[in-house]
Amino acid sequence: AQRVTQPEKLLSVFKGAPVELKCNYSYSGSPELFWYVQYSRQRLQLLLRHISRESIKGFTADLNKGETSFHLKKPFAQEEDSAMYYCALSRNSGNTPLVFGKGTRLSVIA
Amino acid sequence: KAGVTQTPRYLIKTRGQQVTLSCSPISGHRSVSWYQQTPGQGLQFLFEYFSETQRNKGNFPGRFSGRQFSNSRSEMNVSTLELGDSALYLCASSSAGSGANVLTFGAGSRLTVL
Repeated sequence: AQRVTQPEKLLSVFKGAPVELKCNYSYSGSPELFWYVQYSRQRLQLLLRHISRESIKGFTADLNKGETSFHLKKPFAQEEDSAMYYCALSRNSGNTPLVFGKGTRLSVIA
Repeated sequence: KAGVTQTPRYLIKTRGQQVTLSCSPISGHRSVSWYQQTPGQGLQFLFEYFSETQRNKGNFPGRFSGRQFSNSRSEMNVSTLELGDSALYLCASSSAGSGANVLTFGAGSRLTVL
């Protein structure tokens, strides 16, 4: 079965500091990985997916199959980045449910 | 276009009662997924419907059920409510094909069981 682990419940960084939100997964096949974000009083929304290889709001994430990780990174944190971040995995078939990690709350301190 | 709409947004029930939650997906989206969100367990998958058929099911007891109508709207029902069912229930819709795993979430229905 697939599993997603986000080891940090809370991550606090100062504004302008680099951010790395960790995500590790267990799945023997070829996964599709996502990061979803929930800002205060807003809906859970897609931030980025690994197959798009995009940078969204300055965030990037690289799939490392050797380390089974999909860490989310941003070089310079902004106060508006404060939110709950969820890593999610799906089997790469488009017909399976997303499995979410328990989330990491990012707090950016001014 | 309109987003995913969930009703009701808040509800309070007592143990033993049953509840029905509704979800209207984005127009054109045929897949509807339901998740239970709690502070301790995070987001846990309940079930997914596609073209009126349950396509995937999570590890929840039979008290949790759902259905999807021909217009893709979906409902989920929880019978014989327990205190532990208190949670935010999230509905998400997605399109077919390459966007199948890109979920658009509703605002959720917050259920409190007393």
